[in-house]
Amino acid sequence: DAGITQSPRHKVTETGTPVTLRCHQTENHRYMYWYRQDPGHGLRLIHYSYGVKDTDKGEVSDGYSVSRSKTEDFLLTLESATSSQTSVYFCAIRGTEGTYEQYFGPGTRLTVT
Amino acid sequence: KQEVTQIPAALSVPEGENLVLNCSFTDSAIYNLQWFRQDPGKGLTSLLLIQSSQREQTSGRLNASLDKSSGRSTLYIAASQPGDSATYLCALLSGSARQLTFGSGTQLTVLP
Repeated sequence: DAGITQSPRHKVTETGTPVTLRCHQTENHRYMYWYRQDPGHGLRLIHYSYGVKDTDKGEVSDGYSVSRSKTEDFLLTLESATSSQTSVYFCAIRGTEGTYEQYFGPGTRLTVT
Repeated sequence: KQEVTQIPAALSVPEGENLVLNCSFTDSAIYNLQWFRQDPGKGLTSLLLIQSSQREQTSGRLNASLDKSSGRSTLYIAASQPGDSATYLCALLSGSARQLTFGSGTQLTVLP
């Protein structure tokens, strides 16, 4: 499982509240990613990080921010949650250098009411 | 923009049958292609990765092929088992981007 954990695993929150999801890895991988998975849209990249304090936007970054102050942690923040952000959020890391193979965490199911 | 299509969306087969899942893509400038398995309510498990320079990869009963010229990949599952029931996703890392582009998946059911 590439040593990836996500917390919380489930969360219900109200519209307008801030939410932070955490991804933690234990194997010192440089690249980390946040995806969301929705019926009819598949998996889409939100943000990714290529090192401590180095991040960039993905396909669906509006309404999300990220931070990476330590190699092992990549945080995804919804500053003011909306119902359209109800989704399953997956964190991933890029494994062995050169192959670009990605490994995924167990996911966080977020419901915004 | 890379587009990835997986057909069929759902497939039901009897146990023991050999089967093929298809993945097609529009941009052949790729770094690699990954096949994943996703069980209901779970994360994605990487099954096979094919580098751009490779034609196929095998792991146990699974064999994945890649034909960049035609924009197609197949995942062959031999002697299917009920435990193979899951959604299978293909994803491509394109040369012009650092992100994976996913297909919508094929939901496989293997009947005992």
